[in-house]
Amino acid sequence: GAVVSQHPSWVICKSGTSVKIECRSLDFQATTMFWYRQFPKQSLMLMATSNEGSKATYEQGVEKDKFLINHASLTLSTLTVTSAHPEDSSFYICSARSSAAHTDTQYFGPGTRLTVL
Amino acid sequence: TQLLEQSPQFLSIQEGENLTVYCNSSSVFSSLQWYRQEPGEGPVLLVTVVTGGEVKKLKRLTFQFGDARKDSSLHITAAQPGDTGLYLCAPRNSGNTPLVFGKGTRLSVIA
Repeated sequence: GAVVSQHPSWVICKSGTSVKIECRSLDFQATTMFWYRQFPKQSLMLMATSNEGSKATYEQGVEKDKFLINHASLTLSTLTVTSAHPEDSSFYICSARSSAAHTDTQYFGPGTRLTVL
Repeated sequence: TQLLEQSPQFLSIQEGENLTVYCNSSSVFSSLQWYRQEPGEGPVLLVTVVTGGEVKKLKRLTFQFGDARKDSSLHITAAQPGDTGLYLCAPRNSGNTPLVFGKGTRLSVIA
């Protein structure tokens, strides 16, 4: 099956610093990637939809200037948490949808745990 | 936005017991997906149900799609500790529309 990777798998940073998380589709091309955030004991909440070569679409309540998304190629999307604060600590999960015809399955990465001290 | 309600929110059972979790909505879905997420990992697709009244089996897991395609259930027979996880349902969408999940059912199977 299709594989989506994330890097790093976990990261600890100081308050006020920025952190970049990478999401890669390893064996397929993804025109569209999605970023989710999950707080402890909760479900996944959609943050934004990222389309290759264009600006991301953010969900209501998600600050686009704080969570910078770049989808520069068909196999890579990045999420940068700028000026991170402890309340940004969460499990960030990306998902990619194949560009191939006749398929619309979303494949999920293993997640990145961010802890902001 | 299609509002999904999953119940129960939390479930703790002994190994060997049977259980059913539910995914309900007032909206009609063209199809619906069930995922399982283990702690510290991303969700993994279990099944997609498409036809009203459809029943699909995956080993000890039985998925049913309601006749009106507004609800679905997941029944686990003889639960095992390996079934522990967060069970999520989501209407399947096409194109660039992302999956939007319900709140999930957090299952804990105790040995």
